Amino acid sequence: GQQVMQIPQYQHVQEGEDFTTYCNSSTTLSNIQWYKQRPGGHPVFLIQLVKSGEVKKQKRLTFQFGEAKKNSSLHITATQTTDVGTYFCAGRTGNTPLVFGKGTRLSVIA
Amino acid sequence: NAGVMQNPRHLVRRRGQEARLRCSPMKGHSHVYWYRQLPEEGLKFMVYLQKENIIDESGMPKERFSAEFPKEGPSILRIQQVVRGDSAAYFCASSPIGEKLFFGSGTQLSVL
Repeated sequence: GQQVMQIPQYQHVQEGEDFTTYCNSSTTLSNIQWYKQRPGGHPVFLIQLVKSGEVKKQKRLTFQFGEAKKNSSLHITATQTTDVGTYFCAGRTGNTPLVFGKGTRLSVIA
Repeated sequence: NAGVMQNPRHLVRRRGQEARLRCSPMKGHSHVYWYRQLPEEGLKFMVYLQKENIIDESGMPKERFSAEFPKEGPSILRIQQVVRGDSAAYFCASSPIGEKLFFGSGTQLSVL
């Protein structure tokens, strides 16, 4: 079945450093979504990418969807303590339910 | 507009008992999804429902687990004869047309 891999599993950064998490799918995706889950909280939708090679920005966050629609990345510039949490990518093929990666847990040291 | 409501937040059951988890989707949302999360793990898809219909239950164990989304009332995830391995956080999510998901706060099930 469809699998979505995310790396790294953990990332510890100093406040102000950049952070990137990568997502790879075993199959071509119709779209990819990113979610953030704060410690003890629930996943919250961040963004959806649909087009091949698409790049979207939300303030310090930059999301990319690969040309082959099988990989994606999330880059955070100049991390802040409010960025702490686990970032999940989730992909869908056609009408199948979203398949989530295992997430990247980000710790920011002030 | 109230968000996705899940209850209870915490549920403790002894082995062999039944667990019932409830989820009320956001107003206007007709698609409900249940996901299970273990510590340090991602969200594992269990079941996808629309009103009175199970659309996809490929992620749900064939035994002891069932889900419903009746015409009236919340969606229910039922786990019969719980075992320790069922301990996890169970998240419900809803969406209006099957696109981005709005998650509830989850139910933490602990089996003693």
